[in-house]
Amino acid sequence: NAGVTQTPKFRILKIGQSMTLQCTQDMNHNYMYWYRQDPGMGLKLIYYSVGAGITDKGEVPNGYNVSRSTTEDFPLRLELAAPSQTSVYFCASSFDRVDGYTFGSGTRLTVV
Amino acid sequence: LAKTTQPISMDSYEGQEVNITCSHNNIATNDYITWYQQFPSQGPRFIIQGYKTKVTNEVASLFIPADRKSSTLSLPRVSLSDTAVYYCLVGGFNTDKLIFGTGTRLQVFP
Repeated sequence: NAGVTQTPKFRILKIGQSMTLQCTQDMNHNYMYWYRQDPGMGLKLIYYSVGAGITDKGEVPNGYNVSRSTTEDFPLRLELAAPSQTSVYFCASSFDRVDGYTFGSGTRLTVV
Repeated sequence: LAKTTQPISMDSYEGQEVNITCSHNNIATNDYITWYQQFPSQGPRFIIQGYKTKVTNEVASLFIPADRKSSTLSLPRVSLSDTAVYYCLVGGFNTDKLIFGTGTRLQVFP
């Protein structure tokens, strides 16, 4: 099993550009999450999903959008990149609310 | 969501036992306590989870007193490779999401 796969691993964006961070899991997990982590800081929850077709905001959703059309995929969309969105983005999944999270290896995004 | 409080950092030497305590005074009846470990440039990794008393696995032990208002992650005989950030989280069947705090940065010295 691949677990949680995130692409790309690295990306440099110019201010105002858009991009989609991809996240795929092959564990048939119902719950999926997007976190961001700024240097030396903890993780902040951006969006999460409890199942296909259902998404909800986390702590820091502004500037991002998500969709969950399948159980496996949970892409994160940045519409107008800003320097404040420079961060490492982690996708995670879990089978249910109590199950431990499995994290991907992260996407390091720089906005210049 | 129950708020957690952990020490910002801890230092230890190889071979010592390390205990990291987390406070969660407003833990709910249905909440579990989960600990994650994060190495630099990697996503967090699940270490251990418990509801009450003591839980032990091949990596660590988790001690939870009867009032459940705190918990202690115990790492036996740490090595340099245990240098990482450790996060304590509280959540359960009434919680759709987990909020990570700043964690405890453990530095192990030779």
